[in-house]
Amino acid sequence: GAVVSQHPSRVICKSGTSVKIECRSLDFQATTMFWYRQFPKQSLMLMATSNEGSKATYEQGVEKDKFLINHASLTLSTLTVTSAHPEDSSFYICSASRASGAYEQYFGPGTRLTVT
Amino acid sequence: QKEVEQNSGPLSVPEGAIASLNCTYSDRGSQSFFWYRQYSGKSPELIMFIYSNGDKEDGRFTAQLNKASQYVSLLIRDSQPSDSATYLCAVNLYSSASKIIFGSGTRLSIRP
Repeated sequence: GAVVSQHPSRVICKSGTSVKIECRSLDFQATTMFWYRQFPKQSLMLMATSNEGSKATYEQGVEKDKFLINHASLTLSTLTVTSAHPEDSSFYICSASRASGAYEQYFGPGTRLTVT
Repeated sequence: QKEVEQNSGPLSVPEGAIASLNCTYSDRGSQSFFWYRQYSGKSPELIMFIYSNGDKEDGRFTAQLNKASQYVSLLIRDSQPSDSATYLCAVNLYSSASKIIFGSGTRLSIRP
């Protein structure tokens, strides 16, 4: 158990367009999902924490109007990068925690975004 | 002081030997500790978690926790070339239990 999927795995978009990334927990209910960004040779940077049915909590320095997060169900969270620019090119990874209250996070395979 | 500190490496270990990865954390109230493995270009994979002081063994992996010293380690026995990866230590924050903070990772290289 504890499988998390992400779609798409890779996306290339033009500067100024928006991109939506989906994160799904396939075999468990996830009350909390997390979105991370990772630049080459750097560690994971938490962008926001998302709880089902409520607004996401963004980390300092992350623009909530640029990175729209929706967590409409216990198995689905989406991240929309609005008006993407080349500096938004990165590896975006979601993770999910089980509803049981345990804190371990299970990661999706990630989405590589390239903005041209 | 960083919340979770790891030596970035690279740590080079001969095949078959024990690899020892270390991590220190600053939040004394932390209760949950995790080790993730990340291959280049892939997302992290949870390999161990530990909540209590002492050792926890799972196959070739042993996690060790010392809360008094705010120290957690991961031992990999009989190291294999496939163990070559970046190992991320992660710790939950007492102030925000659902959130975990990652260290910058230690790059491990197993030489044949």
